Amino acid sequence: SAVISQKPSRDICQRGTSLTIQCQVDSQVTMMFWYRQQPGQSLTLIATANQGSEATYESGFVIDKFPISRPNLTFSTLTVSNMSPEDSSIYLCSVAGSEEKLFFGSGTQLSVL
Amino acid sequence: QKEVEQDPGPLSVPEGAIVSLNCTYSNSAFQYFMWYRQYSRKGPELLMYTYSSGNKEDGRFTAQVDKSSKYISLFIRDSQPSDSATYLCAMSAGATNKLIFGTGTLLAVQP
Repeated sequence: SAVISQKPSRDICQRGTSLTIQCQVDSQVTMMFWYRQQPGQSLTLIATANQGSEATYESGFVIDKFPISRPNLTFSTLTVSNMSPEDSSIYLCSVAGSEEKLFFGSGTQLSVL
Repeated sequence: QKEVEQDPGPLSVPEGAIVSLNCTYSNSAFQYFMWYRQYSRKGPELLMYTYSSGNKEDGRFTAQVDKSSKYISLFIRDSQPSDSATYLCAMSAGATNKLIFGTGTLLAVQP
């Protein structure tokens, strides 16, 4: 499985500001995924990031709120824009392995005051 | 109705106990079944993987899939305090890499 490094590991932000989360993979991967994990809820897919094309967003998530970059096959960023307390969550990047398996980074714990 | 249902717990057991964790699902197209373990402040770690029905064993862990009942289980034998974590079930119909996750069961193994 790939080694996935994610940073920051945690942050406390003021409402109205933006935070960019970085995800670095130790091997080239075609697709990277961004998930949100809220307390008591299942992991929710935000978007799929392919290198060289626009990210594909899931229902309920929009590019203006969660812009994603994918400049190469080993790196991606997710920005949480114009944050509100409702954005407080764990954000996870992941990559696909064989046979539908997903491998995750260590996550970013975001608290918005 | 959620596609995947999982009892959130918390589940507290003494060290050495056998633990049974379960998920039910509604989509009969699911073919790939996984269990993830997530320690506090860490990302989910793939623990067990099963394709279609049947059992899979890895050390103290056994995963079972019963597609006729739409029910999957994870058994932990001789549980250890280091097994204390949240366990997430996940499943997919394939071809899309869109895993559907349960909400997770918080397990505490008391020494």
